[in-house]
Amino acid sequence: GAGVSQSPRYKVAKRGQDVALRCDPISGHVSLFWYQQALGQGPEFLTYFQNEAQLDKSGLPSDRFFAERPEGSVSTLKIQRTQQEDSAVYLCASSSSYREYSTDTQYFGPGTRLTVL
Amino acid sequence: GDSVTQMEGPVTLSEEAFLTINCTYTATGYPSLFWYVQYPGEGLQLLLKATKADDKGSNKGFEATYRKETTSFHLEKGSVQVSDSAVYFCALSEGGTSYGKLTFGQGTILTVHP
Repeated sequence: GAGVSQSPRYKVAKRGQDVALRCDPISGHVSLFWYQQALGQGPEFLTYFQNEAQLDKSGLPSDRFFAERPEGSVSTLKIQRTQQEDSAVYLCASSSSYREYSTDTQYFGPGTRLTVL
Repeated sequence: GDSVTQMEGPVTLSEEAFLTINCTYTATGYPSLFWYVQYPGEGLQLLLKATKADDKGSNKGFEATYRKETTSFHLEKGSVQVSDSAVYFCALSEGGTSYGKLTFGQGTILTVHP
């Protein structure tokens, strides 16, 4: 089957606009992660879902960032009132594990490159 | 908090050269360690992993050994190919209730010339 898909692949927003980034995980995967990757840096954790429950949102940088996964499948990361420092690649990953201590492979999508002007 | 430090890059090698990319980590518990690779135009994918001290992960000719005494997980390959050109990320997953979330290093760009 298909891997993790993300849309749009590229998004240009004017400062102050709201954006919504979509992630379609691998079918049946319980766990879903969002990461933010600034230019030249490694990805940084934003938030984690187990099915529809958001169990960890410790990495969200501000209350302008909001994520949801209402039916336990597709997830949306929303950024309100975008700022230039929000410019980054946003990565989504899914895995089949649901354990608290997991070493299972995370499968990454291609990412959405957000540019805020 | 937990952190991962990779050797500064980029790294440029000729085909069939020996590769080492250094990775050290700081963690409070007993993390699992990973190397992910990002080929041009593709998403991150797992290259190898090790879940406890002295474990060796290996895949596609790459190897890395989990060294708890030196808090390191260096990536090695005996003979690189042009097709190995990519960005390599070292990462850890802490134990406990992390659900496997990853902490990444900054990445090392590898370019292999024919």
